[in-house]
Amino acid sequence: DIQMTQSPSSLSASVGDRVTITCRASQSISSHLNWYQQKFGQAPKLLIYAASTLQSGVPSRFSGSGSGTDFTLTISSLQPEDFATYYCQQSYKTPRAFGQGTKVEIK
Amino acid sequence: QVQLQESGPGLVKPSETLSLTCTVSGASIDTYYLSWLRQSPGKGLEWIGYMHGSGITNYNPSLRSRVAMSVDTAKNQFSLEVRSVTTADTAVYFCAREVLSRFPPYFDSWGQGTLVTVSS
Repeated sequence: DIQMTQSPSSLSASVGDRVTITCRASQSISSHLNWYQQKFGQAPKLLIYAASTLQSGVPSRFSGSGSGTDFTLTISSLQPEDFATYYCQQSYKTPRAFGQGTKVEIK
Repeated sequence: QVQLQESGPGLVKPSETLSLTCTVSGASIDTYYLSWLRQSPGKGLEWIGYMHGSGITNYNPSLRSRVAMSVDTAKNQFSLEVRSVTTADTAVYFCAREVLSRFPPYFDSWGQGTLVTVSS
């Protein structure tokens, strides 16, 4: 099975900060990498698919990059509504697998 | 706009069978890949498996021996059964649509999730 590892597991940031979250796959997954945002008590929400394609309706301050085993989610200017937990997910093979999550908290 | 809604008992006794239904509205499920996932504090987000509206299934090997999925196209519903549950199966269970197109697959629509507690 493919393992997904995110870092950091949590971070504290201020409104307006640039935030970067990394995700590493245990083997090459090409660009089969998706990013989700989850707020407390809600289902995950798709932000980015195919490593760098922004889902319709998602603000352009979110961006994704990477291929192979190393990927990055960047929030260019953190907004109050962005405080949440972020997950990466590989769709290269089954079983589908998620990272353990990165919690973005208010500094 | 497609909407998904999970339903089923919130409490299941150990060794019994957990049964959940995902009702889809806003689209016909004939061409859907519908996944079941769960989330618990100890194990994060876990993919249980998917079923296509045609009946094709693909289960996570870690759960394959205890899981069964089915589809009722007349009711636009997918169902999940997990047999012989233990406290480790306590989680929030989600159904989600997986889109397979010219892009690699991704989950674009999710149900709100339903908490299932395994306890006597």
